[in-house]
Amino acid sequence: DAGITQSPRHKVTETGTPVTLRCHQTENHRYMYWYRQDPGHGLRLIHYSYGVKDTDKGEVSDGYSVSRSKTEDFLLTLESATSSQTSVYFCAIRDGTGWNQPQHFGDGTRLSIL
Amino acid sequence: KNEVEQSPQNLTAQEGEFITINCSYSVGISALHWLQQHPGGGIVSLFMLSSGKKKHGRLIATINIQEKHSSLHITASHPRDSAVYICAVDGRGAQKLVFGQGTRLTINP
Repeated sequence: DAGITQSPRHKVTETGTPVTLRCHQTENHRYMYWYRQDPGHGLRLIHYSYGVKDTDKGEVSDGYSVSRSKTEDFLLTLESATSSQTSVYFCAIRDGTGWNQPQHFGDGTRLSIL
Repeated sequence: KNEVEQSPQNLTAQEGEFITINCSYSVGISALHWLQQHPGGGIVSLFMLSSGKKKHGRLIATINIQEKHSSLHITASHPRDSAVYICAVDGRGAQKLVFGQGTRLTINP
């Protein structure tokens, strides 16, 4: 298994509170991704990173920010959580040493915003 | 219209049946991926292919670049194959995947 750890695995919080999800990898891979998965929408890209301090937006980035201060950690922050951000969040990593490498996914974080 | 379309969305079959899941895409790609997600579980990469066919155990993935179409086949299906199967494509020049909606497969004993 690829060394990816997401934390927390489950979280319940209230609307308006800040939330930070962490993705940690031990593979030293260049690319890291945050997705959300919702019924009827499949997987959608929130943000991704192509190196330390290098990040870019995905298709559903509004309301989310990310940071990558070191290779192994990619943080996803909801500054003021809303009920529409209730979802399952997946982190993924990808080796950048060759073109078209597979992505390896974490186990997911189930986030409920009440 | 989504860039990646899968069919069927849901598929129920009996154990032992031959299964085919289809994926069509509308953009130029450098590779296509098939992923598997068991209920309540994580996402696992099954195949990545840019031409021809790949086989792993009872799973076979094919791709026709000219027709922009891929199929995932499962031979001698088993209840443990019950999962959501997701098709995703690598756009040319991008390191981001575009995902299909997934196909929910249920194999009954």
